[in-house]
Order: sequence, then structure tokens, then C-alpha cells
Amino acid sequence: AQSVAQPEDQVNVAEGNPLTVKCTYSVSGNPYLFWYVQYPNRGLQFLLKYITGDNLVKGSYGFEAEFNKSQTSFHLKKPSALVSDSALYFCAVRARGDDKIIFGKGTRLHILP
Amino acid sequence: ETGVTQSPTHLIKTRGQQVTLRCSSQSGHNTVSWYQQALGQGPQFIFQYYREEENGRGNFPPRFSGLQFPNYSSELNVNALELDDSALYLCASSLAGTSVYNEQFFGPGTRLTVL
Repeated sequence: AQSVAQPEDQVNVAEGNPLTVKCTYSVSGNPYLFWYVQYPNRGLQFLLKYITGDNLVKGSYGFEAEFNKSQTSFHLKKPSALVSDSALYFCAVRARGDDKIIFGKGTRLHILP
Repeated sequence: ETGVTQSPTHLIKTRGQQVTLRCSSQSGHNTVSWYQQALGQGPQFIFQYYREEENGRGNFPPRFSGLQFPNYSSELNVNALELDDSALYLCASSLAGTSVYNEQFFGPGTRLTVL
């Protein structure tokens, strides 16, 4: 069965510091991997995806994520956090040939000024 | 903005009632997926519609049903509402059949409260 784990409910980072939001997954075969962000009372906004190719994926707003097949991880990173990055972040996986996306429980990111 | 719209934005119902939520997909998209996001949780897949037929379903009871219309818009119907049905309902549209990977674009959601 497919699953996504986001081990941290909340991550606190000082503005200007690098941030990492962790994600591990379980899926048969090679996965599609995603990060979405959700602001209060809003839907999901797409940040980035890994389909194939380079393990380092760059996305919107300066975010990037690294696909690590051996560790089945897809951690979200940003070199320098902004207060406006404070939001709820979801990691998601989709098995190839399957249209449903499986989401993690989410990690709330607080960037402290 | 993704071009996916949902209505209504908010809805309050009482237990036992029925509700219909609507989704208009992005122009040119032929597939709609519905997700339920309970408070403090990630979205959970309800079902997907492709060419007006259900094409995959998550672990939701039959009182959750849907429709897709010839213009690819979609409805989610929930009968016999329960308190636990209170959630944000998200729809996502995609274009199936043109590539191996079909990116899903999410709408803003409908917040359903069941009292």
C-alpha cells in the first residue's frame, strides 16, 4: 500500500536560516512525488514535483527537494526562510499508473522573524 | 490560480441531510478527482471521474457519490450526513490520455460543516 510519512507536526525556523521539511514514502515501483503548500482557508498550491531524471528538483518560491531512492525520502528545502513561508506543507506520492495522490498529514512551518 | 473552481465556498448542514458540491475543471481537462481534508489531516482520495464514469475510489462509503457531466464539470454528493463528514472538500482536474504523467490542479475547496 502507498503511504507518506511526515514525521514532524511542526517545524520552527528563524528567518534567514535554511529550512528542511522531512518526508518519507512507501510505494511500489518508481513514484511520482510532490510538495504542496496550503495557506489558511485556501486550497492546495503546487510547489514542485519529481517525475524522473535529476534527483534535485527546483520549484516555486525558491523551494527545492531531493529525491533519495535508497532512503525513500523527498525532503523539502530552502536555503533562506522567509516569514511568508509560514504555512502548512504536504508531501504526496502517486504510483505510476495510478491517478490517486496519497498525502502525508502535513507539517506546519513557522518562520520566526 | 489553477482555473479550477468550486462552489459553494462554505456550507452548513445538519446531520442526516444531503449535500451537493460542485467543481468546474480547468479548461481542456477531462478528469476530476475529489479529496476530503479533515481538520488537521492531509487530503484523502474519495474518487475520480473520467469521461463521465467513476475511475477509481478510495475508502469511502457508498453514500459518497459523484457525477461528471459532458463538459467535464463534476458534482460530489453526500447522503445521510454525519458529524465526521465536516471537512474541506477539494477537487482536482487533470488531462488523462495524453501522457504518462497527468498533473492534478486543485481548486480552493468547499468547507462543509455538519451540525
